Amino acid sequence: SQTIHQWPATLVQPVGSPLSLECTVEGTSNPNLYWYRQAAGRGLQLLFYSVGIGQISSEVPQNLSASRPQDRQFILSSKKLLLSDSGFYLCAWSVLIHYEQYFGPGTRLTVT
Amino acid sequence: GENVEQHPSTLSVQEGDSAVIKCTYSDSASNYFPWYKQELGKRPQLIIDIRSNVGEKKDQRIAVTLNKTAKHFSLHITETQPEDSAVYFCAASTGYQKVTFGTGTKLQVIP
Repeated sequence: SQTIHQWPATLVQPVGSPLSLECTVEGTSNPNLYWYRQAAGRGLQLLFYSVGIGQISSEVPQNLSASRPQDRQFILSSKKLLLSDSGFYLCAWSVLIHYEQYFGPGTRLTVT
Repeated sequence: GENVEQHPSTLSVQEGDSAVIKCTYSDSASNYFPWYKQELGKRPQLIIDIRSNVGEKKDQRIAVTLNKTAKHFSLHITETQPEDSAVYFCAASTGYQKVTFGTGTKLQVIP
């Protein structure tokens, strides 16, 4: 069966510091991968999605970037965090022909 | 691009009553409509979905209906229980990579 992992689970970082969040998927090949951000009490904002290694589509221009160095690995990065980057970061995967999207456990980021 | 509107934003019902959440979408090419439940501090979980070739789908106490002509779909929860309290998100997809989510409905079931 498929499993999605995210780490770290929680993170507290000062403004201006770098960020690296990692997501890995097990049990499937060539998944579509997604990064979402959810501000406190708000909806799901799609940040990036990827349909293959090295292929990244950005939905919202900001100080974040994403990379997919391996088929089942998706990384979210920032060189300098802003206070507004605080939120709950969710990675998700799907297989095109099945449509269903499944979420990882999330990383709760607090920028201080 | 696709735009999904969801109403109401909050909903309070007495335990045992029914709850209905409604969504509309804009892209007539959308053909897949999932619903997610998110408990406080947890990840969204897929609870039910419907495809455009089906008008209604039921799974125990939850059901979804789809009206493609009017471009709206709804989630129905019958005999609500306190554990149904959560935020519910509707979504729409054309099947090509992206899923567009609604803004969420916070459901509170009062014992």
